[in-house]
This record gives sequence, structure tokens and C-alpha cells, in this order.
Amino acid sequence: EAGVAQSPRYKIIEKRQSVAFWCNPISGHATLYWYQQILGQGPKLLIQFQNNGVVDDSQLPKDRFSAERLKGVDSTLKIQPAKLEDSAVYLCASRGYGELFFGEGSRLTVL
Amino acid sequence: QQQVKQSPQSLIVQKGGISIINCAYENTAFDYFPWYQQFPGKGPALLIAIRPDVSEKKEGRFTISFNKSAKQFSLHIMDSQPGDSATYFCAASRRTGGETSGSRLTFGEGTQLTVNP
Repeated sequence: EAGVAQSPRYKIIEKRQSVAFWCNPISGHATLYWYQQILGQGPKLLIQFQNNGVVDDSQLPKDRFSAERLKGVDSTLKIQPAKLEDSAVYLCASRGYGELFFGEGSRLTVL
Repeated sequence: QQQVKQSPQSLIVQKGGISIINCAYENTAFDYFPWYQQFPGKGPALLIAIRPDVSEKKEGRFTISFNKSAKQFSLHIMDSQPGDSATYFCAASRRTGGETSGSRLTFGEGTQLTVNP
């Protein structure tokens, strides 16, 4: 069974630029999450989707972050404009009826 | 507000020793307590999990001890091996609406475990 796929794995941008991350969850998983993991910290939930609807985006900085999950499968997370403090690993995770599975993450460095 | 506090931040043990990582939570509505293992460059992977209706759960060399009254739970790794060297995260979540466990996970800050050969 294929795992959660994320791309790109690494991205370096200047502050105020924009960036987008893509996630393909495990086939059949209705629930999809985006987490932000700052170096040395635990993952922090940004947004949770159930199929293509948003369940929880209370911790998403909506002035600069946006996410969508069209057709209830793939998802994209966008940051515009990026700030220095957005440097982190962005983890996508998906869940069917049990365990949460994480992708390997997309590491963002904002200079 | 940090709802799950984890300690220690780093831990070094010898091969064959016991590794112990502790977590404390604040929200009494939490009803699912997993531990995740993360290797460098990889996403976290579920290691073991417990619900508050039991005080202990064991899977191989890994044991969770849970103290509901103290709002604390811990991970014990018996006979620690160099391959166990990784970052360990405790987490907690509560059921919301019709969702099952695993949603809205709140993570601790992580413990970097090093097992020396």
C-alpha cells in the first residue's frame, strides 16, 4: 500500500514570496491533515479536511495560509507571502477509520 | 496554551537499558493517548497508543503507563537498542462529533532519544 506522498521535499524561498505544497493521501482515506513542525517542536495542526470539507482550521493563519482539497483526494497548502517564522516542515497526514499516517514532509526554508 | 508537556527534552541510554519518557496533559476531555516515533527526514509513525480505561498497555519492548488521576502517561522502552534512537512524541486527542480517535492530535514537544551501543 502506497503511503502519503508529499512534494516538494525541500523548498527555499525569500521572505514575501509564495510557495505551495502538495499532498496525495493514502487511497480511500477521507480525512486529511496539514501539520506544521518547527525544528525542535512537536507537530501543530494547521487544518483538517473530511473529504473536501474543512473540519478544523482554527490554527491556520488565514491572512497568509490557505489550503484546499478539491474532489476530496489531493490537497494543496499555500503560503503567501511567506515570513521567516514559516520556516518549518509541513507534514501531511491521512486517516481512514483508524491510525493516522504521516508523509515525509516538505521542508521550507524562508530566507 | 501548551496542553501536553513532555520530558525530558533529550535522553541518552546505554544499549540494553530502559528508556522512560513522561507526558502530562491538562485537558480532561482527552481520551486517546498515542506515542509517535520520528526518524530524521521522516514523518512521525504511530508506535503505541492507550485509552484512559486501562492503566497499562504493552507491545513488545514498548509499554505505556497511564495515570488518569494525575493526568500523566509515560513510555517505557525496555532493552533499548541503537535502532530505537529517534525523536519520540506523546500526543493526546478527544473525540469530536462523530469522529473517532486520532483526530485533532495535540503533540508534546518531543524527546530525542540516543541509545549508545
